[in-house]
Order: sequence, then C-alpha cells, then structure tokens
Amino acid sequence: GESVGLHLPTLSVQEGDNSIINCAYSNSASDYFIWYKQESGKGPQFIIDIRSNMDKRQGQRVTVLLNKTVKHLSLQIAATQPGDSAVYFCAENLDSGTYKYIFGTGTRLKVLA
Amino acid sequence: DADVTQTPRNRITKTGKRIMLECSQTKGHDRMYWYRQDPGLGLRLIYYSFDVKDINKGEISDGYSVSRQAQAKFSLSLESAIPNQTALYFCATSDPARGSNYGYTFGSGTRLTVV
Repeated sequence: GESVGLHLPTLSVQEGDNSIINCAYSNSASDYFIWYKQESGKGPQFIIDIRSNMDKRQGQRVTVLLNKTVKHLSLQIAATQPGDSAVYFCAENLDSGTYKYIFGTGTRLKVLA
Repeated sequence: DADVTQTPRNRITKTGKRIMLECSQTKGHDRMYWYRQDPGLGLRLIYYSFDVKDINKGEISDGYSVSRQAQAKFSLSLESAIPNQTALYFCATSDPARGSNYGYTFGSGTRLTVV
C-alpha cells in the first residue's frame, strides 16, 4: 500500500491463487489498524481490523498480519475471486480517543481469469 | 437505501462559486467525518463532528466549512471553490460504542471538479 507518485502499485493475481497486499505504516505508537477495500465508483468498505496486541487475525478468506518491529501490515486473500478486484488500503489509528486515522494510498488488485 | 448517502454524486462547478456537499446517514452514529481523496494520496481529513454541537478541524480544513444540522446530517461547503479542490469527497460515520470495530462507514463519494 505504499505510494509511488500518482500511480498505484498493482498486484495481478490469477483467479484462485492467494493474494498478499502489503502496507508500511508510519507511527510506532499506532494501536489499531484496518484494511479497507474500495471498488471503482464506491466508497471504502471495511474488511478486517487488528489491534496492536495481536500478530494475526483471520476473517472469511482474509487474514491480516501485523509486524510491529518493522511497522508492517499485510492482507492475505485466499482463493482470490474476480469480485476481489479493487483498491485495498490500510489505515492506522493515531489517537484512540478521537479515532483519527492515517490512510495509506492503496494497492490495486487485479484478478486475472 | 444506503447507510450513508452523499449528494450530489458528481458536480462540476466554476472557480469562485460556493458549493455544498451533503451527507445523511441512517446508522444512528454520533460521529461524522468529511474526507477528500486525491490520486496518489491517502484519504485526508477535512472536518469531523462527534455530536450535533461539536465541530473540529481536520488536517486540511482551509477553504472548507461544515454544518452539523442534525445527528444524521453533516454538510461540507466550499465557500469559493478553486481548481485544487477538485477531488473525490467522502463522508463517513462511526460509533465505536455500538459496533464491534472502530472502522468507518463511508458514503459512495462525491466527485467534484472545479474548472
């Protein structure tokens, strides 16, 4: 999910394969993280979250991994489907009292048939 | 009906014009937010409100104002639009006391072009 100028990094994955999308976050004090999915023409949609006291959390077909040592998050999507094609970005929570976030720029996932 | 509804979906306006973007929600959330999204940048917070009587500036509030008319309504105004305010604008809500996570519910966005 790191920015490369104005162009989003793109991950192309064959349908049925697993996808791994990465995000480097900025603040070592951030204690809560969310992955969002944004389809074309739509608003971001919550996928999965994780707190800083966890290393891994699993949902339906998705897993988030957190490595606090290197300030890195990853989103793993199992058995990627065409409907998974979207931009994915992470968000880190800076201030639990206000729930203010820093959002990553995103990675575009393309699922190849 | 969508939980968070933004109007208009698309708007083209001229430099110097005043424009209002509207947001309404049916989730019963107390907290509402306005973000803008630009290519190559993450979502940036313009304003947020935790209650009808509460308004707070975000990181990029210059050139914008907001009004929280009711718990369900939060509007964003550009008093005198300029071309670098061309962006995709999102309204969002949250209420961590009600849900199991602290994420936002976003509207579908308003694409604003200032010419």
